Amino acid sequence: GAGVSQTPSNKVTEKGKYVELRCDPISGHTALYWYRQSLGQGPEFLIYFQGTGAADDSGLPNDRFFAVRPEGSVSTLKIQRTERGDSAVYLCASSVQGYTEAFFGQGTRLTVV
Amino acid sequence: AQSVTQPDIHITVSEGASLELRCNYSYGATPYLFWYVQSPGQGLQLLLKYFSGDTLVQGIKGFEAEFKRSQSSFNLRKPSVHWSDAAEYFCAVYLQTGTASKLTFGTGTRLQVTL
Repeated sequence: GAGVSQTPSNKVTEKGKYVELRCDPISGHTALYWYRQSLGQGPEFLIYFQGTGAADDSGLPNDRFFAVRPEGSVSTLKIQRTERGDSAVYLCASSVQGYTEAFFGQGTRLTVV
Repeated sequence: AQSVTQPDIHITVSEGASLELRCNYSYGATPYLFWYVQSPGQGLQLLLKYFSGDTLVQGIKGFEAEFKRSQSSFNLRKPSVHWSDAAEYFCAVYLQTGTASKLTFGTGTRLQVTL
């Protein structure tokens, strides 16, 4: 595809509900990253995939957060039992294996009410 | 641990004036450094990057940045700002150690351009 695609662009959910956020990386990019950006802050690293496996998930804040990339392309970030503090913009990025330039999607704005 | 500091939260410049956005990093080795721009409601767009070599790097939209190892800085500059440059600017450093690979971002500088 032309760029990194994230769906939905906006998601409003009630506290305690489960949500899934989807990321379609640039075709051929084996590295995929999830970041979270709270209001007035820079993006914060959540998890990094190389191919199908999570090579570094040290940024996931707790066990309510989980991400998968079963076929090494599309990735889904899953949040269980959402809390109001989870409200943020979730950004996905991809890059060519072994190359550091990451291309970002436009993000999913998650609002937990 | 690596970190990035952008000391200016908000900067206002007049259209046509020069611009310098500051970035300082803390990193034990030679860093890979980036500047990204984020317009309202948009994703992050890469302006420029420094990996090695010439310490003055040119980017898109007329931006440039200079890597100064002695000052641990990577300041972004533009000789003449346009109203469309109003946005949030983020400096970032890339880390790859073992299986870890990630960008660490500063908190950003919001640029306002007055006409």
